[in-house]
Order: sequence, then structure tokens, then C-alpha cells
Amino acid sequence: GESVGLHLPTLSVQEGDNSIINCAYSNSASDYFIWYKQESGKGPQFIIDIRSNMDKRQGQRVTVLLNKTVKHLSLQIAATQPGDSAVYFCAENIGGSARQLTFGSGTQLTVLP
Amino acid sequence: DAGITQSPRHKVTETGTPVTLRCHQTENHRYMYWYRQDPGHGLRLIHYSYGVKDTDKGEVSDGYSVSRSKTEDFLLTLESATSSQTSVYFCAISESIAGSPLHFGNGTRLTVT
Repeated sequence: GESVGLHLPTLSVQEGDNSIINCAYSNSASDYFIWYKQESGKGPQFIIDIRSNMDKRQGQRVTVLLNKTVKHLSLQIAATQPGDSAVYFCAENIGGSARQLTFGSGTQLTVLP
Repeated sequence: DAGITQSPRHKVTETGTPVTLRCHQTENHRYMYWYRQDPGHGLRLIHYSYGVKDTDKGEVSDGYSVSRSKTEDFLLTLESATSSQTSVYFCAISESIAGSPLHFGNGTRLTVT
């Protein structure tokens, strides 16, 4: 399976549809996960995070699901809008060290009109 | 942008010259980070700081040094720039070393010719 750093490179969805972006992680000791959105020419923007003691967390139009059994993380975006077009990547953290925050390389989401 | 300003936004320099990138924050966060972002790689940690004059190395620290003389400023220096240091550099801040998201600036695009 894919690990943090090896994502599907692109995902295209119709405006108004729901988007699902996936991320697999390799370290079962990871206890904190973050999703970021990065638009061209800008820095990564925090979207939502989740701790390993949770399976699901919801934000505004976004939901993150964590499946620790298969070490899988997903970001669901409801009613995808043109402004959602960007690169999305996940990050995993192991036990409280900045050195152990690992970022994936991302998925390019394109919203079609 | 979480009150983070990076300067310059773009820089072209020649191999062998020293370069300093600046990160300024207005959030009074204790932790500051420097990352580089390259195609095919996730964000990689160069150095980080956990307080004034307290810094530590990250994954890709060779060829880089940092300084933090004030809470709000974190400087990244390339003592003698090489072409392999051509990259986009991001500064980030966080409230804690673990369990809180990093917030990023908009980056500095550095080209070493």
C-alpha cells in the first residue's frame, strides 16, 4: 500500500460532488495526524487534525477519518467548490518530537465546473 | 497566514555565496521551524527552535545554520549556497512541540545558480 509520501498524484471531481483524499501511514506508533491544503505559490494551510484516540473528526465541510487497523487516513470534502482546488497532504507525528513529524508529498485536487 | 512573514519571497544567488532567510511571527509562539519543499519529497525539516537561543537540527540540516535571538524572529543561513539548496523554504510556528498543528508562512523560493 501507499505510505506517507506516495499519494495518488491527481484527483478530479465535479463541482458540488464530495471528494475523498486518502493517505496511508506506515508507523503504528503515530498518534497525531494533520491535513494541509496548499495552493500554488502559498504555504501549507492547516485544515483539520485528529489524534489517535479518535476515529472521526468533523470541521466545516471537511471530515477526517482514521482507521488505525489498516493505518489509513482520509479527508472528505463535502460539496467541493472551485476554491478547493489545491494540493492536499497529510502529516503524521510520533510521540511529540518535531523531528518525527512526517509529511506526505500530496494529492492534486482539481474541481471541474 | 497565522501572522508569519517570510523574507525575501524570491531570491536568486550564485553558488558559494551566503544567504540568509528571515521568518518573523506575530503570534508569540514558542516553537519555530524551517522546512524545505522539493518535488517528489514531502516537507523536510531543516532546523527548529524551542525558544530564544534554543535550536536543534532536523532531518536535512547539513549546510544550514539558524539563529533565534528574539521570540518573533528565526533566521536560516546558508553559509555557502550550493545548487542542491535550490528549493522553496517554509517557516512554520506552533504552540507546542506535539499535538498542535504547525502554521506556515508563504515561503521563500531560492534559486542557486
